[in-house]
This record gives sequence, structure tokens and C-alpha cells, in this order.
Amino acid sequence: QSALTQPASVSGSPGQSITISCTGTSSDVGGYNYVSWYQQHPGKVPKLMIYDVSTRPSGVSNRFSGSKSGNTASLSISGLQAEDEADYYCTSFTSANTYVFGTGTRVTVL
Amino acid sequence: VQLVQSGAEVKTPGDSMKVSCRASGYTFTDNYIHWVRQAPGQGLQWMGWINPNGGGTNCAQNFQGRVTMTRDTSITTAYMELRSLRSDDTAVYYCTRAAGGSSFDPWGQGTLLTVSS
Repeated sequence: QSALTQPASVSGSPGQSITISCTGTSSDVGGYNYVSWYQQHPGKVPKLMIYDVSTRPSGVSNRFSGSKSGNTASLSISGLQAEDEADYYCTSFTSANTYVFGTGTRVTVL
Repeated sequence: VQLVQSGAEVKTPGDSMKVSCRASGYTFTDNYIHWVRQAPGQGLQWMGWINPNGGGTNCAQNFQGRVTMTRDTSITTAYMELRSLRSDDTAVYYCTRAAGGSSFDPWGQGTLLTVSS
């Protein structure tokens, strides 16, 4: 199972909006509404930000939102803040009853 | 809800290692436990899951034949054993709870495995 494809880096200025893509296949992202997103600051444990494509857990800012179209899922961050600077990973359920992570995206706040 | 993992380990190539993940704050048998690893400076890699209710498992093709996941419901602890260790198995190993749908939450604090001769 190959890793889902994410851009290596995305940047934006404070207050701007950015979007991170996560591209898979019809056997994972495209076949199920089981995509989630994780934020990881350096040296820290990953934190759940979005699950089931677009559901935000309690406690996560509404500046984070998720969507999916075909084989590509997306995480959007609006009103970018310095604290959003981190690595972001998508993951998807697969037809083999397994999961696969994305390659990861470094978000930089300029 | 909390997952607490065993401490860091140093192993020699060819060895085996076993990480524990003690769960508390919820009914252990209600949620799958997943294992994820992260090599230094690299991304997250999903390894496998265990269903504490019955012990069924599934793992990524990369690890088939080399990983065994077990659990002890009496002490609400899941285990992941990795055999025939190589230097590229050096990583932080995490356990995490499948909390519903596609969510993994919370995560254990991570266990650093160093494989070196």
C-alpha cells in the first residue's frame, strides 16, 4: 500500500487561508468516507484535527475544515495563526481493512 | 482516556522488541488499538490494529510475518512485538485508540526504539 500523496510544504501569512491536499486511489480515499487529519508539532504526539472527512472533534478550532472530492481529500485552515505551524498528516481506511498515512505536509506561517 | 506506553529500548540487529500500551479511562474492549511508527525525521507509518474484544488483528503488508499484536484484557494492555530488527526499524512507536469512524484518539506518548550494532 503506497502512502497517500501530500505536498511537502505549504505556507501562508497570518490571517490567510491555506489548503492541504491528500491524494489516494479508489481503494482508499475515494472509496470510503474514512479520512482523518493529524497535526504534529516537533517532538510532540500527533493530534486529531478532522475525522470522517469533515467532522471536527470537540476542542478543535473551527478554523480547520475537511472535504473530499473523488480520490482527493483536503484540509483547509482559515485565519492562519503562528500556532498552526506544524506537520499535517492525512490517513485513510483502505479496501484491505488497513489504514495508510499520507506523506505529510509542513505548514509554515510566514 | 489515556494510553501509557513502555519505555525506550535499545536493540541489536536481529533482536526482537515488545512494546506495551496500557489503556485507562474507558472500556478497553470497546475500541481497536492501532500501532503507528515514525522514523527520525520521517512521516507516520501505519503498522496494524488489534481488536481487544477477541484479539483479531490485521497489519500492513510491509510488516506481515514480522509483527505480532496481542492484548491482555485483565490489565487493559495491548502489546506489539517486532522481530528480526533492522537498523531502519529505529523509530518512535505509538499506540492509539480507534475512537469512532476514522479517528485515532488519544495517542500514547511514544516509545523510542533504537536498533544499532
